[in-house]
Amino acid sequence: QSALTQPPSASGSPGQSVTISCTGTSSDVGDYNYVSWYQHHPGKAPKLMIYEVSKRPSGVPDRFSGSKSGNTASLTVSGLQAEDEADYYCNSGTNNWVFGGGTKLTVL
Amino acid sequence: QVQLVESGGGVVQPGGSLRLSCAGSGFPFSAYGMHWVRQAPGKGLEWVALISNDGNNKFYVDSVKGRFTISRDNSKNTLFLQLSSLRAEDTALYYCATQGFCSSVACYAHHFDQWGQGTRVTVSS
Repeated sequence: QSALTQPPSASGSPGQSVTISCTGTSSDVGDYNYVSWYQHHPGKAPKLMIYEVSKRPSGVPDRFSGSKSGNTASLTVSGLQAEDEADYYCNSGTNNWVFGGGTKLTVL
Repeated sequence: QVQLVESGGGVVQPGGSLRLSCAGSGFPFSAYGMHWVRQAPGKGLEWVALISNDGNNKFYVDSVKGRFTISRDNSKNTLFLQLSSLRAEDTALYYCATQGFCSSVACYAHHFDQWGQGTRVTVSS
């Protein structure tokens, strides 16, 4: 049950866009459209941001979007805001429910 | 309003046991599968276990198989995680989460929809 691969860090200035990648294999990310993304501020409950690759729950700003190409899923945050600074995790949504290692997003 | 409240964490010696609880409210608890997810200090999120809505199907990450047991009491809207033979590497903040959600037209079961605030488990001598 190998973790999905995410870059450890990402950054951008307010108003800019940033994309975080999540690479798996043909057995998880590549074969199913179940990737989800979570925002986690330390000490708080994780929050669902994207499910099934690109679906956005109600209440999540449309600045957050998801996509997938082959074995790699991506989360894009447009129009960066200070409150977007957090850790972001992807998850495969398949039988082993593997998370990525997490990406710390810094708003400069 | 969906609410998940974990409890039962604490400090326990290696080899010891602990029972975590997660009380759900504001949604039809018995209709949803439930997860446990943990975060060790300085580490990322790790899925631990999943139980089906009726309690008949249970799944675990390899590292806890044979040591942890997930269960639920739908009459009390409560999820449990029995931790046994605890190791230092089990030290973590343990979260419960709902398995997806159902709208009026479809169910989406491949993500963690609502999360609790977590309960902390420390394994130390």
